[in-house]
Amino acid sequence: DAGVTQSPTHLIKTRGQHVTLRCSPISGHKSVSWYQQVLGQGPQFIFQYYEKEERGRGNFPDRFSARQFPNYSSELNVNALLLGDSALYLCASSLAGTGISYEQYFGPGTRLTVT
Amino acid sequence: GQQLNQSPQSMFIQEGEDVSMNCTSSSIFNTWLWYKQDPGEGPVLLIALYKAGELTSNGRLTAQFGITRKDSFLNISASIPSDVGIYFCAGHSGGSNYKLTFGKGTLLTVNP
Repeated sequence: DAGVTQSPTHLIKTRGQHVTLRCSPISGHKSVSWYQQVLGQGPQFIFQYYEKEERGRGNFPDRFSARQFPNYSSELNVNALLLGDSALYLCASSLAGTGISYEQYFGPGTRLTVT
Repeated sequence: GQQLNQSPQSMFIQEGEDVSMNCTSSSIFNTWLWYKQDPGEGPVLLIALYKAGELTSNGRLTAQFGITRKDSFLNISASIPSDVGIYFCAGHSGGSNYKLTFGKGTLLTVNP
């Protein structure tokens, strides 16, 4: 079975630009979460979506936004990129609402470098 | 953002040795998860714990949900070279808060 897929694998952008990252969850999973992982740290929660609705938002500025599509895939958008946005962006999928949905399965990530 | 306190930060051991690492929080969690991350890849779920006091095994890995619900432990027995990587704990407080809170990770190096 295919796991969580993310694209692109790597990305280099310039300060001030905009970026869109994409994620496809495991088949049958309806919830997608986004995390930012900077070097030497654990992942930090950005968003969670379930059935196309935002269910949770972490402590990130409004430059970060996301959406989920009817096929449960998701996009993370970051506007006005800053050097500090350079990180590994991870997508995780989970089954649904409560209980077992706390088990989140991660994709390989998108490595974003802002110069 | 908030992160769990994970220790040790790094470990260098000989193949065949047992390994213990732990994770503590100032807050109560209803779920504890342990992940392993290899360089350039996403975290892989190893063990999920849902009940205080619960002890769960996955092969050579054993994890425990602390009875105070503020800590968790991971043990690896008879380590092998492929155990090398970064191990993360993650907690979930339940309810309408859907995020996982992660520790900073324990870097494990196994000397063959």
